[in-house]
Amino acid sequence: GENVEQHPSTLSVQEGDSAVIKCTYSDSASNYFPWYKQELGKRPQLIIDIRSNVGEKKDQRIAVTLNKTAKHFSLHITETQPEDSAVYFCAASIGRGSTLGRLYFGRGTQLTVWP
Amino acid sequence: GAGVSQSPRYKVAKRGQDVALRCDPISGHVSLFWYQQALGQGPEFLTYFQNEAQLDKSGLPSDRFFAERPEGSVSTLKIQRTQQEDSAVYLCASSRTEGREKLFFGSGTQLSVL
Repeated sequence: GENVEQHPSTLSVQEGDSAVIKCTYSDSASNYFPWYKQELGKRPQLIIDIRSNVGEKKDQRIAVTLNKTAKHFSLHITETQPEDSAVYFCAASIGRGSTLGRLYFGRGTQLTVWP
Repeated sequence: GAGVSQSPRYKVAKRGQDVALRCDPISGHVSLFWYQQALGQGPEFLTYFQNEAQLDKSGLPSDRFFAERPEGSVSTLKIQRTQQEDSAVYLCASSRTEGREKLFFGSGTQLSVL
């Protein structure tokens, strides 16, 4: 099955700085890559996603890039704010056959933004 | 409803007890997933329903785990003869159409087996 690796496991930045979280995946058939934000004790919430026919997607301070050749995708947060502090998970989906809709998650990155 | 609802929010069980965890997906959502999230880890897939049909149960860790969605809406995850390694947060998620990947998660049930 798919294997998703995520780095770093922890990331501390000063308010206003940028944060970058990187993920790699193993199955070239993966075609959908969402990012989830999970605050302590709360549900994972989808913050941005990208499909394999797109190289980059932006939504205000958040952007995701995808390199299909390298099987690598990244989350970029600019102008970080203390409320961005949370655990961020990347995921990949093959989206066909018996694994349709199933997400494979990375192990998460604890982002801390210091005021 | 407004979102995916799970109950109970917390469950403490003695080793060997059976537990049942409930999930109310967003109304009209076709797909329903169960994930297990161990402390400090990402969610791990357990099982997938499309309406009332369980299409994938390959993630269930043992035959002590059983899930159902008899009317294609509410789902129940049952764990028989709980063991300490079953302690985790159990997340339910739903999506609008079959195979549509945008998942909406519930807040989870935190299961502690003593």
